[in-house]
Amino acid sequence: SQKIEQNSEALNIQEGKTATLTCNYTNYSPAYLQWYRQDPGRGPVFLLLIRENEKEKRKERLKVTFDTTLKQSLFHITASQPADSATYLCALDNAGNNRKLIWGLGTSLAVNP
Amino acid sequence: GAVVSQHPSRVICKSGTSVKIECRSLDFQATTMFWYRQFPKQSLMLMATSNEGSKATYEQGVEKDKFLINHASLTLSTLTVTSAHPEDSSFYICSATGDGNQPQHFGDGTRLSIL
Repeated sequence: SQKIEQNSEALNIQEGKTATLTCNYTNYSPAYLQWYRQDPGRGPVFLLLIRENEKEKRKERLKVTFDTTLKQSLFHITASQPADSATYLCALDNAGNNRKLIWGLGTSLAVNP
Repeated sequence: GAVVSQHPSRVICKSGTSVKIECRSLDFQATTMFWYRQFPKQSLMLMATSNEGSKATYEQGVEKDKFLINHASLTLSTLTVTSAHPEDSSFYICSATGDGNQPQHFGDGTRLSIL
């Protein structure tokens, strides 16, 4: 069956460290994968999109990798800050299916001062 | 850029009331809009996909007569929850996207509480 899985446990890290979040999928062949941030009671905010032919993408302190062989994406936040505390969602396209995204459950990140 | 406005942010009403939620893309043309429902600590559950000028495509298990979607222009889609009941209480979120493989841009959601 088709599945998309993120770290089920909440992640607690110390300010200044690098946070690494994982997104694994099975039985999909996405053309691209996206990462979003969601704060409580708010809608998700788009962060990064990485295509199947890209290994890595960076934006300021954020870095995303995409390994289509392992069927995995890693999301890194370097020099983490308490303001980075949120839930991070990964989503991938269900190729050819009306552009809708398949969403992971999200990983809750807490950055402690 | 890519701002999506969703209104109202919170609705509390009696059972049997119909509630309309608006979703507007403020600075881009949204060829496709999506409506989601989200329960606490759960992922986004897609309810329907809406393209401007055509009927919405509903996900399996979502009643189209219960959740009426209108996408009359490239900047506005509405979701009407008809004759709402307590089990319809949830967090409803819309998103909008432009042409091509563009990311989705989300509104801030509507917290619907049916008494």
